[in-house]
Amino acid sequence: KNEVEQSPQNLTAQEGEFITINCSYSVGISALHWLQQHPGGGIVSLFMLSSGKKKHGRLIATINIQEKHSSLHITASHPRDSAVYICAVNGGGADGLTFGKGTHLIIQP
Amino acid sequence: EPEVTQTPSHQVTQMGQEVILRCVPISNHLYFYWYRQILGQKVEFLVSFYNNEISEKSEIFDDQFSVERPDGSNFTLKIRSTKLEDSAMYFCASSEDHSSNYGYTFGSGTRLTVV
Repeated sequence: KNEVEQSPQNLTAQEGEFITINCSYSVGISALHWLQQHPGGGIVSLFMLSSGKKKHGRLIATINIQEKHSSLHITASHPRDSAVYICAVNGGGADGLTFGKGTHLIIQP
Repeated sequence: EPEVTQTPSHQVTQMGQEVILRCVPISNHLYFYWYRQILGQKVEFLVSFYNNEISEKSEIFDDQFSVERPDGSNFTLKIRSTKLEDSAMYFCASSEDHSSNYGYTFGSGTRLTVV
């Protein structure tokens, strides 16, 4: 069974700061997902990665398959980025995702 | 952009009652999933469904739970004889394929409260 660990659990930063959230997992995967969950509860998919790096706007996600590690970066952070960011991994096949506990990010104006 | 639609958004039920949570996945998606999130805890996989049958299920998904795709568009999760500990947010998700080439689309969730 895959163990997914995220750090930090909580992060408070000032608007404009560069944010990094880390995710590590214990067993090889076919894909890693970064998800965003707002206070209302809905989950939005940000990235799906199986190798390398992806960028979307101010968000950048990287993965190192050998080290079983991924990072999510937010450049020029803004209060609207405040949310819980969740890392989840897919072991392949029709198995569902295994989720981390999430990182609760607060960006203060 | 296509959405996964879940109804109802909130459901309150008496302990021991049966509930049905409904989901309309994206029309060209082939894989469907139910997840749950107990308040303050991480999201947990319940079941995946493909070609009108269960593909995988977790240990949480016991005989109390069942899934169905009754009419080719809806995907339902039934919980028989609800317990207090079934109170959680239930998310439906769908994907075109289970491979790493396709992402998931999640619904906005149904918050189930068992009293």
